[in-house]
Amino acid sequence: DSGVTQTPKHLITATGQRVTLRCSPRSGDLSVYWYQQSLDQGLQFLIQYYNGEERAKGNILERFSAQQFPDLHSELNLSSLELGDSALYFCASSRDRGNYGYTFGSGTRLTVV
Amino acid sequence: AQTVTQSQPEMSVQEAETVTLSCTYDTSESDYYLFWYKQPPSRQMILVIRQEAYKQQNATENRFSVNFQKAAKSFSLKISDSQLGDAAMYFCASLENAGNMLTFGGGTRLMVKP
Repeated sequence: DSGVTQTPKHLITATGQRVTLRCSPRSGDLSVYWYQQSLDQGLQFLIQYYNGEERAKGNILERFSAQQFPDLHSELNLSSLELGDSALYFCASSRDRGNYGYTFGSGTRLTVV
Repeated sequence: AQTVTQSQPEMSVQEAETVTLSCTYDTSESDYYLFWYKQPPSRQMILVIRQEAYKQQNATENRFSVNFQKAAKSFSLKISDSQLGDAAMYFCASLENAGNMLTFGGGTRLMVKP
């Protein structure tokens, strides 16, 4: 157990629907990062939050949004889902800038049918 | 923007042998960090080893070591005495101290033959 908790582990939904992925960071970590990993691809950075504030944004689609709550958990909202959004979505957390690396959750496998 | 390139999509090694995975990166910063992550079939991302750019000494973690060539912007991972459990995807990643996110290479799939 890495200490980063992601729910749900698996999600199957239809095109056009909206889903919410949840992440609880490791205790003491203020930064939360979201990554997308499509089949056999590398990890693409989506967005980072630090202590409730958006810190950096990657190639995140306008249909996607995220937030970090006062208790530091984070949610990634995906709407108007398309088949191409099927992927493994990782949440990671770190202390400060992550110079010692990020700790990853086990991911949420999203399948859009 | 930082970029990370892994030129070997797949590698294989015989059990108990040594294998080296290649990685090159590009950054305009002088202060940065480099990492190797392992992703086994479970899909969990596991930190294998970390290198600070300002340190010349190559990092070592048990059977895992790196060859960090700063001028060449090269950061290879050497796995000694390979074990069946080492079979996984390996991702090289960089983090600029002035930046906000870890940037990953495309990964190398390592197969270990018994």
